[in-house]
Amino acid sequence: QKEVEQDPGPLSVPEGAIVSLNCTYSNSAFQYFMWYRQYSRKGPELLMYTYSSGNKEDGRFTAQVDKSSKYISLFIRDSQPSDSATYLCAMSPPGAYKYIFGTGTRLKVLA
Amino acid sequence: DTAVSQTPKYLVTQMGNDKSIKCEQNLGHDTMYWYKQDSKKFLKIMFSYNNKELIINETVPNRFSPKSPDKAHLNLHINSLELGDSAVYFCASSGGGFGANVLTFGAGSRLTVL
Repeated sequence: QKEVEQDPGPLSVPEGAIVSLNCTYSNSAFQYFMWYRQYSRKGPELLMYTYSSGNKEDGRFTAQVDKSSKYISLFIRDSQPSDSATYLCAMSPPGAYKYIFGTGTRLKVLA
Repeated sequence: DTAVSQTPKYLVTQMGNDKSIKCEQNLGHDTMYWYKQDSKKFLKIMFSYNNKELIINETVPNRFSPKSPDKAHLNLHINSLELGDSAVYFCASSGGGFGANVLTFGAGSRLTVL
């Protein structure tokens, strides 16, 4: 079993839809959780960063962490065609430089 | 100004050749990384250096040799290239102390081995 599991998609939604992207993990030591967006032929760019459990909101994006279920989510409200990209979750335990990535979910928002 | 820059962006070479990829960051970060992304977009860490010291060395063939001349630079040299080395190699950096800092990635170096 991989340490971090993420559905690879692709996920196709109409413009304006609410998108839910998820990752599950097995290592209860993970404390730092990140979501990256990667456009085709580009490097991953940080979208959201949360520490431990809880919610964090930034514009149309909301990140949720449920440590009891070992489950993290990224919600995108009012999705736009420009949101079409691969979304990667990443996480790490404290005191470690090792960030473990999910396989990424490919999202396509249709105009 | 690009925060993490890597060169070259594209590399096409024959099996058995040796090649190098260079990375530089201007963020003042202490830690730099090499990640490999395969055709299925899976990002896997290869190496990490903190203040020029190797701190992570994953199970990578010893044909891959990283070098960090200073904390702003991290290079990757690959000997005797094989078909399976074809991938996108990303350099990244993170700042400050342990764990709490996010990764900033370069644009990637796409290596194709023929």
